[in-house]
Amino acid sequence: KQEVTQIPAALSVPEGENLVLNCSFTDSAIYNLQWFRQDPGKGLTSLLLIQSSQREQTSGRLNASLDKSSGRSTLYIAASQPGDSATYLCAVPNSGNTPLVFGKGTRLSVIA
Amino acid sequence: KAGVTQTPRYLIKTRGQQVTLSCSPISGHRSVSWYQQTPGQGLQFLFEYFSETQRNKGNFPGRFSGRQFSNSRSEMNVSTLELGDSALYLCASSLEENTGELFFGEGSRLTVL
Repeated sequence: KQEVTQIPAALSVPEGENLVLNCSFTDSAIYNLQWFRQDPGKGLTSLLLIQSSQREQTSGRLNASLDKSSGRSTLYIAASQPGDSATYLCAVPNSGNTPLVFGKGTRLSVIA
Repeated sequence: KAGVTQTPRYLIKTRGQQVTLSCSPISGHRSVSWYQQTPGQGLQFLFEYFSETQRNKGNFPGRFSGRQFSNSRSEMNVSTLELGDSALYLCASSLEENTGELFFGEGSRLTVL
């Protein structure tokens, strides 16, 4: 059974700092990994999708990497801004071709 | 291009009642998934529909049910509501079954009194 862990659970950084969020998963037989952002009381916004054959994906100030063999992914946020404050979640399909399993998320606060 | 639309956004029910939530996926998407989000359990998978067929079901009691229509719109129903059913119910759609990128709606916030 796939399990996803995100560390740290919460993170507070000053504006402008670069930061890394971590995600680990137990079953490396995944099709892809997806990073989401969730603002309080809102739905999830897809940030990046990395296919199993890829090592990283970039979108603006965001860069996500994937290391299937070690069961890890990182989300790098460059030059953080207060608007980046949100909860960030990673998700992978359960073993094989099944629906997504989510981590509990990392709650990020960027202080101006 | 319109995103995933969920209705209603907020609702309050009492124990024992039933509720129906609706989800309209992104145009062209045939897969719809439902998730329950609570502070304690996080996001938990309820079920997934593809081309009107339930493809996967999470570990929830039979009080939770769903269906998908020919236009890909989906509904989920919870009968005999319990206090513990209070949660944010999120719907997501994707082009492909299971392996596609998921796009979420804003959710339906259910409060059971």
